[in-house]
Amino acid sequence: QVQLVQFGGEVKKPGASVKVSCKASGYTFTSYGITWVRQAPGQGLEWMGWINVYNGNTNYAQKLQGRVNMTTDTSTSTAYMELRSLRSDDTAVYYCARSKGYGAPPDYWGQGTLVTVSS
Amino acid sequence: QSVLTQPPSVSAAPGQKVTISCSGSSSNIGNNYVSWYQQLPGTAPELLIYDNNKRPSGIPDRFSGSKSGTSATLGITGLQTGDEADYYCGTWDSSLSGVVFGGGTKLTVL
Repeated sequence: QVQLVQFGGEVKKPGASVKVSCKASGYTFTSYGITWVRQAPGQGLEWMGWINVYNGNTNYAQKLQGRVNMTTDTSTSTAYMELRSLRSDDTAVYYCARSKGYGAPPDYWGQGTLVTVSS
Repeated sequence: QSVLTQPPSVSAAPGQKVTISCSGSSSNIGNNYVSWYQQLPGTAPELLIYDNNKRPSGIPDRFSGSKSGTSATLGITGLQTGDEADYYCGTWDSSLSGVVFGGGTKLTVL
């Protein structure tokens, strides 16, 4: 069965970077892309971007351009999302999810990783 | 302020039907497919509806979706207490070149 597993949580100081991982299994990793979505405490969903696992092409949300970097390691079927210059309003649960294209709806989701930005 | 507008909350009794609206514009809903997600408390979102009205495997036919112009609607019939959750609509926005979501609607089954 398709699974996306995300590990642990992170506490970071303002200005630092965080790299969230997402290990996929149960399907051919390179046949789908990975979408990243975040959710601040008590708030709605925010699309962060998408990576084409096959060729590494990315499509990022305009407001995160320059601060976010999405990558994958096809040898371990793992996707990564790095966010730099963290601010307090980056505190959120970060979800990875499988999707066919950059605008396609994600059909399987990871359980989420809580990133807390606090001094 | 979300690009797509949803009512903050809806409620109905068990066994009844409820609809949740999602309003957008020509740059998003008007020219792109709409999807709907269910988020149970403390869990990740789950895809309920894609391409306006299609259900992924395993989603019961109590859930339905429709789209007209720049608005979309999620319908849920035969409400169960287990349907209490937050529901989000989402679609591509051509002006923003990104996916946009509604602010979410909290469903209470009284």
